[in-house]
Amino acid sequence: DIQMTQSPSSVSASVGDRVTITCRASQGISTWLAWYQQKPGKAPELLIYAASTLHSGVPSRFSGSGSGTDFTLTITSLQPEDFATYYCLQPNSLPLTFGGGTKVEIK
Amino acid sequence: QVQLVESGGGVVQPGRSLRLSCATSGFTFNRHGMHWVRQSPGKGLEWVAMIWFDGSNEYYVDSVKGRFTISRDNSENTLYLQMNSLRAEDTAVYYCSRDKISGAGTYFYGMDVWGQGTTVTVSS
Repeated sequence: DIQMTQSPSSVSASVGDRVTITCRASQGISTWLAWYQQKPGKAPELLIYAASTLHSGVPSRFSGSGSGTDFTLTITSLQPEDFATYYCLQPNSLPLTFGGGTKVEIK
Repeated sequence: QVQLVESGGGVVQPGRSLRLSCATSGFTFNRHGMHWVRQSPGKGLEWVAMIWFDGSNEYYVDSVKGRFTISRDNSENTLYLQMNSLRAEDTAVYYCSRDKISGAGTYFYGMDVWGQGTTVTVSS
């Protein structure tokens, strides 16, 4: 199984800050990576797929990059509604596996 | 609009069974692979199982193999998860979700629509 290591596990930031979250795969997954946002008590929401393609309706302050084993989710100019937990998902091979999550908290 | 609605969760004793359902609407169900993903209390997301658009292939995480069965009724636009021999560690919110891209083996693009989840608690 492919292991996904996400870091940091939490980050404190202020509105307007730039936040970067990384995800590392235990083996190469090309650009088969997705990012999700989850708010408390809610289902995850797709932000980015294929490592860098923004899902429909997602604000352009979200961006993704990377290939192979190392990936990054960047939020430029953090907004109040962005405080949430973020997960990466590798859909390259079964079983699909998620990263452990990164909680973005208000500083 | 596209909608997934899970049901069937509840409190069940260890070793017993439960069947979850996911009723779908707003899209051509028989063209999309479907997944179950769970989240234990206070923990991260764990992929559980998927089934191809036509039901021809099923895949499971090792921890549920032989105990859980994913199935679908394309005439009723409904996804199921039969859970047998339940354990305390199966306690979680269970979400159904849809492959973003329709067709066979298209899980590479992730899942784009999720239900609100149904809670399963395994406890004596």
